[in-house]
Amino acid sequence: GQQVMQIPQYQHVQEGEDFTTYCNSSTTLSNIQWYKQRPGGHPVFLIQLVKSGEVKKQKRLTFQFGEAKKNSSLHITATQTTDVGTYFCAGSNSNSGYALNFGKGTSLLVTP
Amino acid sequence: NAGVTQTPKFQVLKTGQSMTLQCAQDMNHEYMSWYRQDPGMGLRLIHYSVGAGITDQGEVPNGYNVSRSTTEDFPLRLLSAAPSQTSVYFCASSYSRSLNQPQHFGDGTRLSIL
Repeated sequence: GQQVMQIPQYQHVQEGEDFTTYCNSSTTLSNIQWYKQRPGGHPVFLIQLVKSGEVKKQKRLTFQFGEAKKNSSLHITATQTTDVGTYFCAGSNSNSGYALNFGKGTSLLVTP
Repeated sequence: NAGVTQTPKFQVLKTGQSMTLQCAQDMNHEYMSWYRQDPGMGLRLIHYSVGAGITDQGEVPNGYNVSRSTTEDFPLRLLSAAPSQTSVYFCASSYSRSLNQPQHFGDGTRLSIL
């Protein structure tokens, strides 16, 4: 089945430092979604990327979809304590039917 | 709108007991799914449904049953609970089955099997 791998598993940064998490798939994806889960909370949708090479920005967050549509990244510029949480990517393709497969997530800790 | 509502929020079961986790959405969403979340394992898909009367298995379906008799409800049944099923369970829904829509998650059910 489709595998969506995400690295790193954990990241600890000082407030103001940048942060990047990477998502890689063994197969070409139709689209990729990113979610954020605060400690004790539920995943919340951030964004979706569909096109090859697509780049989208949300304030300090930059999302990229690779040219081959097999990888994606989320970059946070100048982290803040409010960025703490776990970031998940989720992908699907024509072979996965209607199953949306999540990566294992990257847990971000930001210390002031 | 309440969004996606999961009940109960917490539950403790003994091995061998049965239980149904409830999930309801009031957004007229076509697609609904169940995930379990374990430390270091991320979100793993248990079962999903693309509409009333249609269900399919995800990555980890063993030990769980689902049904979708209405658009709104998608209950998850544990027929004989095992300690390995201790987890946090999330129900999610989205507008269409095409998976190009955001998934809306419930608050989760924290389940412990003794």
